[in-house]
Amino acid sequence: GAVVSQHPSRVICKSGTSVKIECRSLDFQATTMFWYRQFPKQSLMLMATSNEGSKATYEQGVEKDKFLINHASLTLSTLTVTSAHPEDSSFYICSARMREGDTQYFGPGTRLTVL
Amino acid sequence: GQNIDQPTEMTATEGAIVQINCTYQTSGFNGLFWYQQHAGEAPTFLSYNVLDGLEEKGRFSSFLSRSKGYSYLLLKELQMKDSASYLCAVRSVQRNTPLVFGKGTRLSVIA
Repeated sequence: GAVVSQHPSRVICKSGTSVKIECRSLDFQATTMFWYRQFPKQSLMLMATSNEGSKATYEQGVEKDKFLINHASLTLSTLTVTSAHPEDSSFYICSARMREGDTQYFGPGTRLTVL
Repeated sequence: GQNIDQPTEMTATEGAIVQINCTYQTSGFNGLFWYQQHAGEAPTFLSYNVLDGLEEKGRFSSFLSRSKGYSYLLLKELQMKDSASYLCAVRSVQRNTPLVFGKGTRLSVIA
């Protein structure tokens, strides 16, 4: 299967700071990347969909000014959590697919803890 | 809209067979996926069904009935390492939409 990497795997930050998470497709070009958030023992919740070269589409209830998404190339998307608060502590997972209709492959996830 | 239901938790014995069911309601069905997720890790792809019937892949098989909006994941010869959450996800024909996930079934394999 295709490989998707995420960096960092784990990050602890202070309240009010910003954190950037990178998602890379290593062996394929991802026209679309998805960002999910997962709280303990809960299901994956889609935050936003990003297509290379265009603005991300955010799900209802997700603040676009707080969660900045940049899909600058076919192999890289970044999620920046701005002015992080303790309630933003969660497991953030990116997913990528090559073309419409293809399988989505997931990165290993980033565990964010905001103190 | 889409609605996906699967049991919250299941327990099975090492070496046994377990079936995890998933029912869904969706407009414009275009495929059903099963993913495995170990605690603290991202989901990994297990199987994909778009036509009715059974897809077998080693110890894992997945079945789909589109008319009933029903799928199951069958795990044979259970091993302790199979303890994980199993996520059912549905894809829509609508362009540029992501998979919609069920809440997952937490499977515990006991000795």
